[in-house]
Amino acid sequence: GENVEQHPSTLSVQEGDSAVIKCTYSDSASNYFPWYKQELGKGPQLIIDIRSNVGEKKDQRIAVTLNKTAKHFSLHITETQPEDSAVYFCAASRRGSSNTGKLIFGQGTTLQVKP
Amino acid sequence: DAGVTQSPTHLIKTRGQQVTLRCSPKSGHDTVSWYQQALGQGPQFIFQYYEEEERQRGNFPDRFSGHQFPNYSSELNVNALLLGDSALYLCASSAQIINSPLHFGNGTRLTVT
Repeated sequence: GENVEQHPSTLSVQEGDSAVIKCTYSDSASNYFPWYKQELGKGPQLIIDIRSNVGEKKDQRIAVTLNKTAKHFSLHITETQPEDSAVYFCAASRRGSSNTGKLIFGQGTTLQVKP
Repeated sequence: DAGVTQSPTHLIKTRGQQVTLRCSPKSGHDTVSWYQQALGQGPQFIFQYYEEEERQRGNFPDRFSGHQFPNYSSELNVNALLLGDSALYLCASSAQIINSPLHFGNGTRLTVT
């Protein structure tokens, strides 16, 4: 069935270092890959997304890469700050001409940025 | 511009009872999806509503049902509650246009005792 594997489950970095989170998806028809940040007591917040016709996307300190052949996608955070500490989720979805695709989420990565 | 709002924020129920959770989508959005998030896990898709109809459903039993109203707001109903239904229930909204991302509310924390 549809599945998204996410690694690592926990990640601890020093402030200013980079953090990388990796995901693998099973459904080859997936074409939309968002990343969400979830802080304690809050719902997931979209931080960046990528579509299958693009290999890489960047937004300030955050970048996402996609390898469709290997069915891998990754989140890269550079110059990490303590406020980046949170749980990060990757997800995969099939999207048609309308927005009807359900999201399949990974298990989450708890990122701790030490000052 | 209000985002996705959910009520109540917390709820405690007893096994066998029924519960109704409510969601108002972000302004401009017409599609509502519900997700269940167990502690320490990623959200799992329950179902999606558009034009007051259930459009997609995940692997959840018939005890889970929903409704969407003409103003696009939505309810999630769970009957015959089990201890395993204890979770954070998330509502997400989007628009039926290409490239519309999913926006989540802060959820309703349901505890079944």
